[in-house]
Amino acid sequence: GAVVSQHPSRVICKSGTSVKIECRSLDFQATTMFWYRQFPKQSLMLMATSNEGSKATYEQGVEKDKFLINHASLTLSTLTVTSAHPEDSSFYICSAGIAGGPYEQYFGPGTRLTVT
Amino acid sequence: AQKITQTQPGMFVQEKEAVTLDCTYDTSDQSYGLFWYKQPSSGEMIFLIYQGSYDEQNATEGRYSLNFQKARKSANLVISASQLGDSAMYFCAMREGPGGYNKLIFGAGTRLAVHP
Repeated sequence: GAVVSQHPSRVICKSGTSVKIECRSLDFQATTMFWYRQFPKQSLMLMATSNEGSKATYEQGVEKDKFLINHASLTLSTLTVTSAHPEDSSFYICSAGIAGGPYEQYFGPGTRLTVT
Repeated sequence: AQKITQTQPGMFVQEKEAVTLDCTYDTSDQSYGLFWYKQPSSGEMIFLIYQGSYDEQNATEGRYSLNFQKARKSANLVISASQLGDSAMYFCAMREGPGGYNKLIFGAGTRLAVHP
């Protein structure tokens, strides 16, 4: 089956710094990638939809200048949390879909971000 | 309005028994997909089962079956012969429109505990 990786799996950073999270589709080309955020004991909330070669589409209430998304190739999307603050601490999960492909979305293993 | 509703925050089941996790959805699209994912404490999202809106038969995957009642807009997950390893969070999700490139909307989740 299709595999999606995320790097890093865990990251701790100081308040005010920026953190980049990578999402890679390892054995298929992902025309679309999605970024979700999950607070403890809560559900996944979609942050943005990332299409290769175009600007990401952000969900309502998500600051696009704070959460920068780049989908530069068909196998890589990055999420950069700029000027991170403790309230940005969360579990970030990406998923990838294939246009015209099977119905399933393939999820990465997630990245746990802690901002101190 | 809530698009995906999971009304059971927590469920308990005895090992080897069957359990039903409830999910109702709301959409005006004719073409949509319904998913169930399992999320163990490690955080990874494990795909369990999928039901397309045009599928006439209820989906089954091993011990998992989806009780799809289109008129009632419900898509309950049935786990037969529960195992201790089934203890996890379970999320119902909906994709509006066709294709793996459409975003998923998740319900709040149900935490299942399987007792020996």
